[in-house]
Amino acid sequence: AQSVTQLGSHVSVSEGALVLLRCNYSSSVPPYLFWYVQYPNQGLQLLLKYTSAATLVKGINGFEAEFKKSETSFHLTKPSAHMSDAAEYFCAVSVAPYGQNFVFGPGTRLSVLP
Amino acid sequence: DTAVSQTPKYLVTQMGNDKSIKCEQNLGHDTMYWYKQDSKKFLKIMFSYNNKELIINETVPNRFSPKSPDKAHLNLHINSLELGDSAVYFCASSRDLNTGELFFGEGSRLTVL
Repeated sequence: AQSVTQLGSHVSVSEGALVLLRCNYSSSVPPYLFWYVQYPNQGLQLLLKYTSAATLVKGINGFEAEFKKSETSFHLTKPSAHMSDAAEYFCAVSVAPYGQNFVFGPGTRLSVLP
Repeated sequence: DTAVSQTPKYLVTQMGNDKSIKCEQNLGHDTMYWYKQDSKKFLKIMFSYNNKELIINETVPNRFSPKSPDKAHLNLHINSLELGDSAVYFCASSRDLNTGELFFGEGSRLTVL
C-alpha cells in the first residue's frame, strides 16, 4: 500500500521568503502525486499534480513541485511567500485506479510572518 | 455555482441522535466520496460510490450509512451519534474511478455534545 509523510507539521516563513514544504511517498508502483491546500474553514483545493509527464510541475498561485523518483520525494516550493499563502497543505499519493486509492499525508500548516 | 456543495455546513447535536449530511455535485462526475477529517486534520476516506454503486467501504461503524439516489448526490446518514463522531466531513467527487483529481466540498463540521 502507498503512504505519504510530510516533514514538519508546522512551517513558518517570513513574507517574501522561500517556501519549502516536504513530502516523501512510498509506493510499489508508479504513483500520481498531488498537493492540496486547505484555507481555514474551507475544503481542499488542488494546487498541482504529477501524473507521470514532466517531473517539474507548476501549479496555481506560483507554487511548483518536483517529482524525484530516486528520492521518493515531491516537495512543494514557492519563491516568495505571501500572507495569503497561510494555510494547511496536504500531499497525497494515489495509484491506479487513482480515484479509489488516494492516501493523504498528515498535512503541514504554513504560517507567513510579516 | 458551487461545484461540490454540502449541507449543512455546521451541525451541533446531542449524543444518541441521528443526523444526515447531504452532498451534491454539478460537475457531471461519476464518482463521489466521503472523507472524515479529525481534530488533527488527518483525512481518511470513508466511502466511495461510482455511478450510484458502493465501491469503497472502509472500516467505518455501520452507524454510518451512505446513500446515493443518483450519481450527482451522495448523502451520509449517521445513527446513534457518539462523541468520537465529532469531525469535519468532506464530500468529494472525481470524473471517474481512474481519474486522480478530487474536487472537494467545503466540509460539514459535526459537533456531538
